[in-house]
Amino acid sequence: DIQMTQSPSSLSASVGDSVTITCQASQDISNYLNWYQQRPGKAPKLLIYDASNLQSGAPSRFSGSGSGSFFTFTISSLQPEDIATYYCQQYDDGYSFGQGTKVEI
Amino acid sequence: QVQLQESGPRLVKPSETLSLMCSVSGDSMRNYYWSWIRQSPGKGLEWIGYISHSGNTNYSPALRSRVTISADTSKNQFSLRLSSVTAADTAVYYCAREIRVGAIYFDFWGQGTLVAVSS
Repeated sequence: DIQMTQSPSSLSASVGDSVTITCQASQDISNYLNWYQQRPGKAPKLLIYDASNLQSGAPSRFSGSGSGSFFTFTISSLQPEDIATYYCQQYDDGYSFGQGTKVEI
Repeated sequence: QVQLQESGPRLVKPSETLSLMCSVSGDSMRNYYWSWIRQSPGKGLEWIGYISHSGNTNYSPALRSRVTISADTSKNQFSLRLSSVTAADTAVYYCAREIRVGAIYFDFWGQGTLVAVSS
């Protein structure tokens, strides 16, 4: 099984701040990594696929980078509606998710 | 706009079988893969398995012995059966559409349904 480890588990930032979340895979997964946003009581929503591709309709303040086993997800200018938990997900070998990063303002 | 809706019993007794259905609207099931994913406080998000447009299935190794996913494409529905449930199977269960275009990702999800395992 490929383990996905996100850091930090939670963070607090101000509106307008740049926020970065990291995701480390237990082995090389190339760029087979997605990022999802989950607002309270809602289903996850795809933001980034293949490590760095912005999903259609997702705001451009969201971005992703990385390859191999280390990945980052950035919100360039945090907005109130970005309050959510963010998950990385690998699909190199089966599918597995990180434990999530809760973003608060 | 594609929409998915889970349905089924919200309470299942230990050792019994959990059964859920996902109804798909807004597109045909024929061109995609369809997954079940669950979320519990203890284990976070966990992929359960998928069924392809041609009826092939693939299950999480951790659940393979207890899971069956089937589909009725004429009704645009697919189903999950999880046998011999325990309290550890208590979770919010989501159905999701899986895109495979080189990249693989879940682009549409149902709202989720909370299933509790309890006597």
